[in-house]
Amino acid sequence: QKEVEQNSGPLSVPEGAIASLNCTYSDRVSQSFFWYRQYSGKSPELIMSIYSNGDKEDGRFTAQLNKASQYVSLLIRDSQPSDSATYLCAVNSNSGYALNFGKGTSLLVTP
Amino acid sequence: KAGVTQTPRYLIKTRGQQVTLSCSPISGHRSVSWYQQTPGQGLQFLFEYFSETQRNKGNFPGRFSGRQFSNSRSEMNVSTLELGDSALYLCASSLLGADQETQYFGPGTRLLVL
Repeated sequence: QKEVEQNSGPLSVPEGAIASLNCTYSDRVSQSFFWYRQYSGKSPELIMSIYSNGDKEDGRFTAQLNKASQYVSLLIRDSQPSDSATYLCAVNSNSGYALNFGKGTSLLVTP
Repeated sequence: KAGVTQTPRYLIKTRGQQVTLSCSPISGHRSVSWYQQTPGQGLQFLFEYFSETQRNKGNFPGRFSGRQFSNSRSEMNVSTLELGDSALYLCASSLLGADQETQYFGPGTRLLVL
């Protein structure tokens, strides 16, 4: 069983809309959750991190964590064409000192 | 502060050869992790080093190895290359490798095995 699951997409949203990206994970003891953005041909860059249940907001981005449901999401408000990228969900490994990544969701924001 | 650097950026090798990739972490960062990224498998953890010690290793064959030097720079080696080793190899650094620390990624080394 894959430890971190994401829909591969592509998820297509119009400019100005809200993009909702979802991720589920299998390890109940995971404590740290990260969203990375990866543009084509580039390396991942951190968008948000979240460690406690609830919402965490940073500008146009909101991360939501529900440990009981083993679910983490990323909302992007007022989506821009420059947000078009692959979004990777990462969860700390129970074996320590490693991140388990989902395969990523491709987001396309159309003008 | 300079970011994570990786050399070389691109490599072409043939089956059976070996390759060494290098990573210099952000200044002050002592934890270095390596990941392999392929279209089919996504980002997969290879290993993590801290203070010249490997603390964790992913599910890769023994052909994949690494080491870390006293200045925290790290190298990874792949011996007896196979076609399936073609991938983007990413290095990431963090201060101590603790759970809630952000891992900062380098630009990657793209390896093509022919």
